[in-house]
Amino acid sequence: SQKIEQNSEALNIQEGKTATLTCNYTNYSPAYLQWYRQDPGRGPVFLLLIRENEKEKRKERLKVTFDTTLKQSLFHITASQPADSATYLCALDISSGMRFGAGTRLTVKP
Amino acid sequence: DTAVSQTPKYLVTQMGNDKSIKCEQNLGHDTMYWYKQDSKKFLKIMFSYNNKELIINKTVPNRFSPKSPDKAHLNLHINSLELGDSAVYFCASSQDAAGAGRNEQFFGPGTRLTVL
Repeated sequence: SQKIEQNSEALNIQEGKTATLTCNYTNYSPAYLQWYRQDPGRGPVFLLLIRENEKEKRKERLKVTFDTTLKQSLFHITASQPADSATYLCALDISSGMRFGAGTRLTVKP
Repeated sequence: DTAVSQTPKYLVTQMGNDKSIKCEQNLGHDTMYWYKQDSKKFLKIMFSYNNKELIINKTVPNRFSPKSPDKAHLNLHINSLELGDSAVYFCASSQDAAGAGRNEQFFGPGTRLTVL
């Protein structure tokens, strides 16, 4: 069966550290993978998109990797801040529509 | 300035009623979507729609129907509401169709539906 798994339901880290979130998928072959941020009571907000032929993508303190052999994406937030606390969702862009993981709730403690 | 807007923000209704949620986007996007986010926060696509094609997630009951009066609007109509329909419903839009690449989703603020 097809699955998207974000390995940690919750992740707590100290301010200034690097947060690493994992997204694994099975029985999908996405050409694109995206990451979103969702704050409580709000809709998800797009952060980054990475293509299957890209190994890594960066945007400010954010970095995403995409390994189509391992069927895995890693999402890193460097120099984390309390304002980074939110739920982060990975999403596979396939022809029948986006498929989201269940999300990882990140808490950055001061 | 709102990119994707939805109304109402909250909807409380009795089982068996019919209700609609409205969605509008001012981004000039070609594709719009409806998602359901359940109590476990799992975001699931219900419909993907552009002026050429409606893609329906086969798990969506036929009590749910999207209605698009024009490219900027995609409303969600729900017949015979059931307790299990209680969730947050998000509208979204993107420049391209699913799988086409330029598919960053712009989400509305959500409509929290409670069926009593």
